Amino acid sequence: QLVLTQSPSASAFLGASVKLTCSLSSGHSSYAIAWHQQQPERGPRYLMKVNSDGSHSKGDGIPDRFSGSSSGAERYLTISSLQSEDEADYYCQTWGTGIRVFGGGTKLTVL
Amino acid sequence: QMQLVQSGPEVKKPGTSVKVSCKTSGFTFTNSAMQWVRQARGQRLEWIGWIVVGSGNTNYAQKFQKRVTITRDMSTSTAYMELSSLRYEDTAVYYCAADDMTTVSWGQGTLVTVSS
Repeated sequence: QLVLTQSPSASAFLGASVKLTCSLSSGHSSYAIAWHQQQPERGPRYLMKVNSDGSHSKGDGIPDRFSGSSSGAERYLTISSLQSEDEADYYCQTWGTGIRVFGGGTKLTVL
Repeated sequence: QMQLVQSGPEVKKPGTSVKVSCKTSGFTFTNSAMQWVRQARGQRLEWIGWIVVGSGNTNYAQKFQKRVTITRDMSTSTAYMELSSLRYEDTAVYYCAADDMTTVSWGQGTLVTVSS
């Protein structure tokens, strides 16, 4: 079964960096994922797609502070030089044969 | 630039149906896939289903299989999501999202409230 697992919460200080993790279920380690950001009281926004080889392609207007990477069945979103507006929920999503799946989301707090 | 504009908020009674529209512009609608996602207040994003616009092929999450229909109108570049047999727990914000294989763009969301 295709499942994405994310830590419920993460925190980091203003100006620092943070690395969020999205784990693919067993047997799905070659899958690409997408990262979406949802700021408080707003709709989701597409950030990037991350492939199994670590390459990533960002959406329009996404700052260079946001980057993606991979290792095995893990997909990462790294945000550097954290700003207050980065405080948001971050969701990963993947797609299988005819279906799409979201992770549970990670709530990022900027301290 | 991809733009998606959804229809306005709806209030529906239990057992009835709702149809939400998502009008698109700024990209080749025919070469895209449209997915529908919902989010109850304070909850995670939940995938409902999607349609490959060019072929009209659809796939739905098992949870919604018997109650949802996703369609598209190529003449107006609009996608639709109809949910039937509404229950109180269907109260949520419903989003459409377009994927043209290079990027994804989201609609602004439509609040559907199920209330007697």
